[in-house]
Amino acid sequence: QVQLVQSGTEVKKPGASVTVSCKASGYTFSNYGIIWVRQAPGQGLEWMGWIYGYNGDTKSAQKFQGRVTMTTDTSTSTAYMELRSLTSDDTAVYYCARGGHGYSMVWGQGTLVTVSS
Amino acid sequence: EIVMTQSPATLSVSPGERATLSCRASQSVDINVAWYQQKTGQAPRLLIYGASTRATGISARFRGSGSGTDFTLTISGLQSDDFAVYYCQQYNDWPPLTFGQGTRLEIK
Repeated sequence: QVQLVQSGTEVKKPGASVTVSCKASGYTFSNYGIIWVRQAPGQGLEWMGWIYGYNGDTKSAQKFQGRVTMTTDTSTSTAYMELRSLTSDDTAVYYCARGGHGYSMVWGQGTLVTVSS
Repeated sequence: EIVMTQSPATLSVSPGERATLSCRASQSVDINVAWYQQKTGQAPRLLIYGASTRATGISARFRGSGSGTDFTLTISGLQSDDFAVYYCQQYNDWPPLTFGQGTRLEIK
């Protein structure tokens, strides 16, 4: 079945970087994009960016530009999202989701990233 | 950036009754709106796309409607499993994709 499996919980110190992975299975990875969405504790959904599996083309939210890097490894059908210069405001659950036409039917299970000194 | 505004923030409805959730876009998004359900500790689940098309496996009790700037999600015959947070999202003009702030549907 189609699924996305994300990497595990991370605890980071302020100023550090974190990389979250998202491994796809059950579909042709290069035919779709992957979007990244985060959710701070008790808050709503915030779109971070999108990467196309076929050619690595990316779009990102303005607030994260310069601080986020999205990549893919088509050989393993895995997408990666690196977020740098972490602050406590980056504490959130990070989700990947399959991006087709702008909406997402398939979501990863989420990765909790905690930023704390 | 297109702003999606959901109302009300919290909706209290009794099981078996109907819930009506609203979402307004700051400019026209045609019918390019999706609705998601999210339960505590879980990833969002796609319910509706194209404003009114139910995703695979979604009950006919969930009905989406609207176009342009005003959209509605109607859930009929509320069941205990339906009480959750619901988000609308526009994908007509991006980046960025934008979500509403959510409506919490609670048991009355």
